[in-house]
Amino acid sequence: SQTIHQWPATLVQPVGSPLSLECTVEGTSNPNLYWYRQAAGRGLQLLFYSVGIGQISSEVPQNLSASRPQDRQFILSSKKLLLSDSGFYLCAWGEDRAAYEQYFGPGTRLTVT
Amino acid sequence: AQKITQTQPGMFVQEKEAVTLDCTYDTSDPSYGLFWYKQPSSGEMIFLIYQGSYDQQNATEGRYSLNFQKARKSANLVISASQLGDSAMYFCAMRGGAYSGAGSYQLTFGKGTKLSVIP
Repeated sequence: SQTIHQWPATLVQPVGSPLSLECTVEGTSNPNLYWYRQAAGRGLQLLFYSVGIGQISSEVPQNLSASRPQDRQFILSSKKLLLSDSGFYLCAWGEDRAAYEQYFGPGTRLTVT
Repeated sequence: AQKITQTQPGMFVQEKEAVTLDCTYDTSDPSYGLFWYKQPSSGEMIFLIYQGSYDQQNATEGRYSLNFQKARKSANLVISASQLGDSAMYFCAMRGGAYSGAGSYQLTFGKGTKLSVIP
């Protein structure tokens, strides 16, 4: 069966510091991968998605970036965090077809101080 | 552009009763998909049910059913025989069809409904 991992689970970082969140998927190959952010009390906002290694699409302009160095690894990064980057970050995977459900990881709660 | 509207910020239901969570959507895509996710306090988004726009029958998954009314652009979630463990946030989401380009990969979420099950 497929599983999706995210780490760290929680993170407290000062403004201006760098960020690296990692997501890995097991039990599937060539998945579509997604990064979402959820602000407190809100729905999810898609940040990035990837349909293959090195292929990243950005949905929201911001100071975040994403990379996919391996088929089942998706990384969310920032060179300098802003207060507005605080939130709950969720990684998701879906099969290599656009039509079906996405499965989410446990999430990372980021607080920028 | 796609839009999901969930008009109920919070709902209460008695244990063992059924409850309906509302969701309306707006899209210009002829083909699309509708999803419901559950988010307990732990934060993880749990997939519950999916309905394709061309599916003839309403989707069902155990105690969950989706009341799909295409003409009204509504996709309400019905939970039968509520349990205490059903207390959570519930999100309705939509993705575009195969010809929507980036929209076919993106899930657009509503703001959610907080369901509280009362013993």
